[in-house]
Amino acid sequence: QVQLVQSGAEVKKPGASVKVSCKASGYTFTSYYMHWVRQAPGQGLEWMGIINPSGGSTSYAQKFQGRVTMTRDTSTSTVYMELSSLRSEDTAVYYCAREGSPSWFDPWGQGTLVTVSS
Amino acid sequence: QSALTQPASVSGSPGQSITISCTGTSSDVGGYNYVSWYQQHPGKAPKLMIYEVSNRPSGVPDRFSGSKSGNTASLTISGLQAEDEADYYCSSYTSSSTLYVFGTGTKVTVL
Repeated sequence: QVQLVQSGAEVKKPGASVKVSCKASGYTFTSYYMHWVRQAPGQGLEWMGIINPSGGSTSYAQKFQGRVTMTRDTSTSTVYMELSSLRSEDTAVYYCAREGSPSWFDPWGQGTLVTVSS
Repeated sequence: QSALTQPASVSGSPGQSITISCTGTSSDVGGYNYVSWYQQHPGKAPKLMIYEVSNRPSGVPDRFSGSKSGNTASLTISGLQAEDEADYYCSSYTSSSTLYVFGTGTKVTVL
């Protein structure tokens, strides 16, 4: 079955960077776009961006332009999301989610909690 | 790109029907049939319930249905059950550089 497994929780200091991974299995990795969505504690969902695992092209939400980088490794069927210049407001659970064609998110990874604290 | 507007909370008794609205603009909800809905239980990842306005994925009970009129999409839960108590989010494709937007979220309480 289709499964997305994310890396474990991270604690970072303000100004640092974090890189979260999402390993896909159960389908052809390069055939489906992957999204990243985050959720701050007690808050709603926020779309961060999308990567095409086939060619590596990306598109980021305006809010994160310049701070986020999404990459992929086709040899391990893994996508990565790196967020730099972290601040306390970036404390959130970060999810990867596969795109259904062409506009929905299914399934989702289990989420990775990133805590930014001095 | 602003979040789509949803009511903060909706409640109903078991067996009743409830409807959650999701209001956007002509640049998102009103401009595309790319509205989807997600259910999220506490501490869990979101789960797809409806895609492309009104389509139900395999395994989702037919108690869940979706529709759209103008800039407002709606999710209806008929025959409300205790396990339906959760947060619900809508999402839409947008014409902006921020390609997707989520709703503000609605907490559904089964009385």
